[in-house]
Order: sequence, then structure tokens, then C-alpha cells
Amino acid sequence: DVKVTQSSRYLVKRTGEKVFLECVQDMDHENMFWYRQDPGLGLRLIYFSYDVKMKEKGDIPEGYSVSREKKERFSLILESASTNQTSMYLCASSSGGRNQPQHFGDGTRLSIL
Amino acid sequence: AQTVTQSQPEMSVQEAETVTLSCTYDTSESDYYLFWYKQPPSRQMILVIRQEAYKQQNATENRFSVNFQKAAKSFSLKISDSQLGDAAMYFCAYRSASGSQGNLIFGKGTKLSVKP
Repeated sequence: DVKVTQSSRYLVKRTGEKVFLECVQDMDHENMFWYRQDPGLGLRLIYFSYDVKMKEKGDIPEGYSVSREKKERFSLILESASTNQTSMYLCASSSGGRNQPQHFGDGTRLSIL
Repeated sequence: AQTVTQSQPEMSVQEAETVTLSCTYDTSESDYYLFWYKQPPSRQMILVIRQEAYKQQNATENRFSVNFQKAAKSFSLKISDSQLGDAAMYFCAYRSASGSQGNLIFGKGTKLSVKP
């Protein structure tokens, strides 16, 4: 089974801090994704990556950046955390085929105080 | 841009009964993929079922089946013989068969409750 591991289930940070969310997958997937999930809004794509060192902006990239130095690891960075970034963050990975499903991690519930 | 609409924020079903969750989407593309994902409370999101737009036959996975109406841009999920473990948020998702590298467009979700 595909395993997508997010480094923390719960995280509390302060406004203005630089926050790193880590995601690792073990299936050699080319594609990795970061979503934000908010009640009533569903999942919104922040950034995705289809190869090492490659990244593309999703629907809501403002205030975020990403890093993919190795194929298995995709990091989401909040440059200067703000309270409106309090949310559930989901990482996903998929192989290259378009009909292939995305496999999700357990999520990180991030609170910015 | 493509959009996905789930018009039922919440649904409820009696255990062992059948329930249908609605999903409509808007696209000008002819080739795409559709997915239903399930997210149990505080647990990982998992794939329930997928459908290729070029296939006329509706996908089925055990108790889960879809009613795919391409002309109507409708992709509903039917759960038969509902079980307590089916209680979850269900998300409908669309993926283009062209363009960028396969990101999904999600609906806002339907929360399904199962009554014993």
C-alpha cells in the first residue's frame, strides 16, 4: 500500500513564525500535492510538483512556498504565518497516469495563534 | 475553468438502506476523469471509486456504484446496504485528461451520517 506520511498531526505556531510542513511518500510517485481543507470550502490546491525541483502554483499559493529536493519529500513552507492560515493541510501523491488516484496523508491540523 | 458542485452539504441514511450522493461538474473538455473520495472523521482520505469519461459503463466497487451521465455532467455515488463505517465526508473530484499534471478539482463535500 502507498504510504504518505505527514510529519505532524497537530501543530501550534505563532503569528509571524516560519512554519515547515513535511510530507514523505514511499511509492516513488512523480506527483505530489499540498491542499488546504476548510469547512464548507472543500479542498483547495496550494502547490503541486511533478518532478524533483519542479513546482507549480495551485489555486491559493499566496503566503506559501514549497520545496522538493528529493522525489519522496515535498515540503510546504509558510513564510510568515498568519491567523488566516489556521487550517487542515493535506499532502497527496500520485503516479504519472492521469487516471491514477491521489493518495493522501493523515493531514496536519495547524493552528496559528 | 472547471468546477465541481455537491449540492447536499449533509445526508443521512438508515443502516442497510441505500443512499445517493449528488455531484455535478462544469467543463468544456471531452476527456477527463472523475473520482469519489471518502474522509472518515479524523482519518485519512481514501479513494472510493473512479470513472473515465470515455467509458460509458458505470464504475462499481462492491457496494459503491456511480451513475455517470456525461451529457448532463452528473456523477452521483450510490451506496447500497449502508454500514456504520460508511459515515464520512464524501468528496467528488474532477481531473482533466490534458493540461497540467493532474491536479484534482474538488467539490465542497457531503457529510454522510448512518443511523443504526
